[in-house]
Amino acid sequence: SQTIHQWPATLVQPVGSPLSLECTVEGTSNPNLYWYRQAAGRGLQLLFYSVGIGQISSEVPQNLSASRPQDRQFILSSKKLLLSDSGFYLCAWRGWGTEVSSTFGSGTRLTVV
Amino acid sequence: RKEVEQDPGPFNVPEGATVAFNCTYSNSASQSFFWYRQDCRKEPKLLMSVYSSGNEDGRFTAQLNRASQYISLLIRDSKLSDSATYLCVALGSGGYQKVTFGIGTKLQVIP
Repeated sequence: SQTIHQWPATLVQPVGSPLSLECTVEGTSNPNLYWYRQAAGRGLQLLFYSVGIGQISSEVPQNLSASRPQDRQFILSSKKLLLSDSGFYLCAWRGWGTEVSSTFGSGTRLTVV
Repeated sequence: RKEVEQDPGPFNVPEGATVAFNCTYSNSASQSFFWYRQDCRKEPKLLMSVYSSGNEDGRFTAQLNRASQYISLLIRDSKLSDSATYLCVALGSGGYQKVTFGIGTKLQVIP
């Protein structure tokens, strides 16, 4: 069966510090991968998605970046965090096909102080 | 215009009530639709897919209206445990890899 791992669960970082969040998927090949952010009391904002190694689509211009160095690994990064980067970051994977739903990791709660 | 729009609520309903949520989508070529449930401070989890002919899963019924471009979720005999935020998804054509969610509708079932 397929599983998705996301870590860490919580993170407190100072303003201006770098960020690296990692997400890995097991039990499938060539998944579609997604990073979302959910600010407190807000909806899910799609940040990046990837259909293959090295292929990243950015949805919102900001100081975040994403990379997919391996088929089942998706990394979210920032060189310098802003207070506004605080939120609940969720990684998700999805197979191919129009009838396929997404499965989420358990999320990382980031607080920038 | 947002790709998917939902009334954020909250919907406060008594236990045992029937409640319905709608979700409108902007891309008329959208091909597949889903409802997710998100509990407080947790990740969203798939509740059910939405099929063209409508589908039911226990107390939950999902329907699609392509002419008016909306999907609906009906919850009958609400339980306290149904309290959560319900998110809808509409996958567009020609780029169905891009998955965007509605803001979610918050449901609070009251004893």
